[in-house]
Amino acid sequence: QVQLVESGGGVVQPGRSLRLSCAASGFTFTNSAIHWVRQAPGKGLEWVAAVWYDGSNINYSDSVKGRFAISSDNSENTVSLQMNSLRGEDTAVYYCARELLARGSTFDNWGQGTLVTVSS
Amino acid sequence: QAGLTQPPSVSKDLRQSATLTCTGNSNNVGNEGAAWLQQHQGHPPKLLSYRNNSRPSGISDRFSASRSGITASLTITGLQPDDEADYYCSAWDSSLSAWVFGEGTKLTVL
Repeated sequence: QVQLVESGGGVVQPGRSLRLSCAASGFTFTNSAIHWVRQAPGKGLEWVAAVWYDGSNINYSDSVKGRFAISSDNSENTVSLQMNSLRGEDTAVYYCARELLARGSTFDNWGQGTLVTVSS
Repeated sequence: QAGLTQPPSVSKDLRQSATLTCTGNSNNVGNEGAAWLQQHQGHPPKLLSYRNNSRPSGISDRFSASRSGITASLTITGLQPDDEADYYCSAWDSSLSAWVFGEGTKLTVL
């Protein structure tokens, strides 16, 4: 079955960096895209970034553009999110979610999420 | 980034129907429609409907999506206790080159 497993969350000081990973399995990684979506405590969903399986077609939300970098390794079926210059407002559960490109079924499978806490 | 507009809360009786709305603009909902997701407290979201109001496999036909202009709707028929959850809409915004979400609607089943 489709599995997305996030890792790399933790507590980090403001201004520091953290790298999240999303390991995908149970489906053909090629012809898919992976999105990162975050949810601050008690708040709604916020789209962060997305990348195609081959590392192309990258997009970011304005709130992370220039600070975060998304990448895809389709030899490892893994997508990473490098988060730099972290701020308190980046504190959230970070989910990765799949999109099947041919079907256009964005967010059709989700991981369990990894918590990032930015605090001094 | 401008998001989509959803009512914060909706309350309906058990076995009744509920229609949730999501209003955007011509660059997002009015262009490619909206996806709908359900989230129970403490769990990741689940996709209920995506482009062209398609339902993923395993999603009950009690959930149906539609769109009229810049407003997308999700209708849930025969409300069950487990339908009590937060519901989010999302759409690709071609002017922002970004996905945008609504703030979510909390559905209470009385």
